[in-house]
Amino acid sequence: DAGVTQSPTHLIKTRGQHVTLRCSPISGHKSVSWYQQVLGQGPQFIFQYYEKEERGRGNFPDRFSARQFPNYSSELNVNALLLGDSALYLCASSWETGREGYTFGSGTRLTVV
Amino acid sequence: DAKTTQPNSMESNEEEPVHLPCNHSTISGTDYIHWYRQLPSQGPEYVIHGLTSNVNNRMASLAIAEDRKSSTLILHRATLRDAAVYYCILRALGTGGSEKLVFGKGTKLTVNP
Repeated sequence: DAGVTQSPTHLIKTRGQHVTLRCSPISGHKSVSWYQQVLGQGPQFIFQYYEKEERGRGNFPDRFSARQFPNYSSELNVNALLLGDSALYLCASSWETGREGYTFGSGTRLTVV
Repeated sequence: DAKTTQPNSMESNEEEPVHLPCNHSTISGTDYIHWYRQLPSQGPEYVIHGLTSNVNNRMASLAIAEDRKSSTLILHRATLRDAAVYYCILRALGTGGSEKLVFGKGTKLTVNP
């Protein structure tokens, strides 16, 4: 079975640009969460979606948005990129809202220059 | 958010048991204790989780103190592949059924051959 798939794996953007990151959860998983991991730190929670509805939002500015599609895949959008947005963006999925462990993807490495 | 405290680093020898401690003195009654580990350039990998009782699975054991203010992840026989950053996390249940994992900095485990 395929794990959590994220695309792209790496990308470089310029300050002020917009970026869209994509996540395909494990088949049947209805909950998708996004995390940001800055170098040397633990991941920080950005969003959680369950059954296409936003269930939680972390302490991130409105430049960050996300959505979940009917097939449970998800997109994370970041507008007006700042240098500080450079990080590894991780997607995690689970059957329900974390009743068991989450499965993480390998992440998208975003570099803002 | 309830927080956890872990040693920054630990060392072990191959094929010896490893006990990774975690303090979570502000844990609430509904918080589950999760452990994940992360290898370089990969997303976190679920290891084990529990609520009150000790838990065992094929990867590790989790010992939870009676007052739930601390826990210990036990790797019974460390291998070189166990070298990673280990995160002790409280699964925080938010409003509206939202859930998030609150990561600290974790413990970097070095396994010596």
